[in-house]
Amino acid sequence: EPEVTQTPSHQVTQMGQEVILRCVPISNHLYFYWYRQILGQKVEFLVSFYNNEISEKSEIFDDQFSVERPDGSNFTLKIRSTKLEDSAMYFCASSEGRSGVARSPLHFGNGTRLTVT
Amino acid sequence: GQQVMQIPQYQHVQEGEDFTTYCNSSTTLSNIQWYKQRPGGHPVFLIQLVKSGEVKKQKRLTFQFGEAKKNSSLHITATQTTDVGTYFCAGPGNQAGTALIFGKGTTLSVSS
Repeated sequence: EPEVTQTPSHQVTQMGQEVILRCVPISNHLYFYWYRQILGQKVEFLVSFYNNEISEKSEIFDDQFSVERPDGSNFTLKIRSTKLEDSAMYFCASSEGRSGVARSPLHFGNGTRLTVT
Repeated sequence: GQQVMQIPQYQHVQEGEDFTTYCNSSTTLSNIQWYKQRPGGHPVFLIQLVKSGEVKKQKRLTFQFGEAKKNSSLHITATQTTDVGTYFCAGPGNQAGTALIFGKGTTLSVSS
């Protein structure tokens, strides 16, 4: 069964540094997402992406965050200047979106655990 | 935007006991999805409910969508240790949006 893949599985960075988290969504999916989960807490929506542009973003997704689809397969999340509070598990997800985007199941990757020191 | 509230936050049961988690929204939902996250894992889609009053079953799991489409529940009959994890409900952030907003989840632990 096709799956969403994320790299790296764990990223340690110093406060103020830039990080790029990478994802390869399922190939025939149309919508791509980033969520984050602080340890033991809820899965928080960051951003959705469709047709090479941001479809929707949350209040968390401020100017330090950006997303990109640099080629036909990768989907990246960049955090420009990391803060301690950015430490979390970041999940990429994709969905077909064909039956109405909000009615399409999300397929999650295994996540990247970001630790900011 | 829309938020879904989930209760309880934690539930511990003995193996063989039943378990229920509840999800409530202040607004009408066009649909609701349920996910399971095993410890250390990622959320995995379980099911989607769309119709008012809909009931769906997956083996020992029963999912319900309220008549007013503002609440939903997941009931597990005769829990097993493999049911351990966090169960999330998720609904659309708004009518026209693409975001799926997750509840805080109910973490189930099962002792044998």
